[in-house]
Amino acid sequence: NAGVTQTPKFRVLKTGQSMTLLCAQDMNHEYMYWYRQDPGMGLRLIHYSVGEGTTAKGEVPDGYNVSRLKKQNFLLGLESAAPSQTSVYFCASSRGVGDWGNQPQHFGDGTRLSIL
Amino acid sequence: QQPVQSPQAVILREGEDAVINCSSSKALYSVHWYRQKHGEAPVFLMILLKGGEQKGHEKISASFNEKKQQSSLYLTASQLSYSGTYFCGTGGATNKLIFGTGTLLAVQP
Repeated sequence: NAGVTQTPKFRVLKTGQSMTLLCAQDMNHEYMYWYRQDPGMGLRLIHYSVGEGTTAKGEVPDGYNVSRLKKQNFLLGLESAAPSQTSVYFCASSRGVGDWGNQPQHFGDGTRLSIL
Repeated sequence: QQPVQSPQAVILREGEDAVINCSSSKALYSVHWYRQKHGEAPVFLMILLKGGEQKGHEKISASFNEKKQQSSLYLTASQLSYSGTYFCGTGGATNKLIFGTGTLLAVQP
């Protein structure tokens, strides 16, 4: 049971390039999230999804897009990468029972993204 | 608005106790606690859902004072394995989980 898997684990981009981060979970969780983690800032929610085909904005959505075409996958896209998007990106998932604030979140190992 | 955690960092000797606090300016419906070791993913510790609720996990327990909009994490008889950064995540009326900036805990032999 792999849990939450993120690919790639590391990536270096040039300013203006685009890329997609993939998150896959095998726990049949309804809810999925993308966070970014910067030094001294903790985890900040970028976008989230409460089910297949649905997405919503979090705290810091600008410059990112997401898609949830399949229940087990949640994709995070950067259309035109900027140095300010250099960060560690974490994907997480949780069960959909009741309010999603009541369920533990399971995190992937993260993607370390540098934009030059 | 991010919850405020205190202290920002704490250094302990094995066997000592520590308390980490998490305060929010907004009404809370739930508080999550996670631990993250350097270079790894955050790992879930516990969720508190009711006012005044206390839960325990090994020698780690927590309380949630809904009225005061704050939670505290208690680590007793600390072990080397407790080292890491502890995050609280608060759930409000909008059901969005907002994480604090973290408390770095270092346990020394």
